[in-house]
Amino acid sequence: EVQLVESGGGLVQPGGSLRLSCAASGFTFKTYWMHWVRQGPGKGLEWVSRLNEDGSTTNYADSVKGRFTIYRDNAKNTLFLQMNSLRDEDTAMYYCTRDLGGAQAYWGQGILVTVSS
Amino acid sequence: DIVMTQSPLSLSVTPGEPASISCRSSQSPLHSQGNYFFDWYLQKPGQSPQLLIYWGSNRASGVPDRFSGSASGTDFTLKISRVEAEDLGIYYCMQGLQTPYTFGQGTKLEIK
Repeated sequence: EVQLVESGGGLVQPGGSLRLSCAASGFTFKTYWMHWVRQGPGKGLEWVSRLNEDGSTTNYADSVKGRFTIYRDNAKNTLFLQMNSLRDEDTAMYYCTRDLGGAQAYWGQGILVTVSS
Repeated sequence: DIVMTQSPLSLSVTPGEPASISCRSSQSPLHSQGNYFFDWYLQKPGQSPQLLIYWGSNRASGVPDRFSGSASGTDFTLKISRVEAEDLGIYYCMQGLQTPYTFGQGTKLEIK
């Protein structure tokens, strides 16, 4: 069974940092592009970032470029999102997703990040 | 960025009746290999989104055949032939041709 389990969320003050993790199981993690997508409270979906199978290619939404870093550890089947200089508008549910845009797209259950003083 | 515009933003449907949701993209998400890099997702209450239709018209694994998708240029349609109670939720379209991937505003389907 495919599983994507996010962790590392919580409450952080503006300007602070958090690192999200996504533990993957049930599939060959190292063969998939992986993405992060977020959803603000009561809002729609916003794509955040993606990286390729070996982590050598990354892309970011303009809203997070220069503040967020996506990376992966294929030996541990884990995806990460390092979030620095957090802002109020980064408050959202963050979803780890596999193969977004492909036939085998799958989303984790999400982890809540709240940025507030 | 490619802008995705859905309509309607909400609809209320009686079980057993059909439903249709449209999505228009500001640029065609047609890939050079011939596929539309366009998907439909359903987010049920309290859940993460689940893939319904990929590449414009292909049903994802396990998706009932009452769901169908069509694509032409910049216009996309999701049809539900006979709505069931379990179909309630918010439907999103998404283009994955270029970054940033972009989503429609969402269409909330309510069951009468």
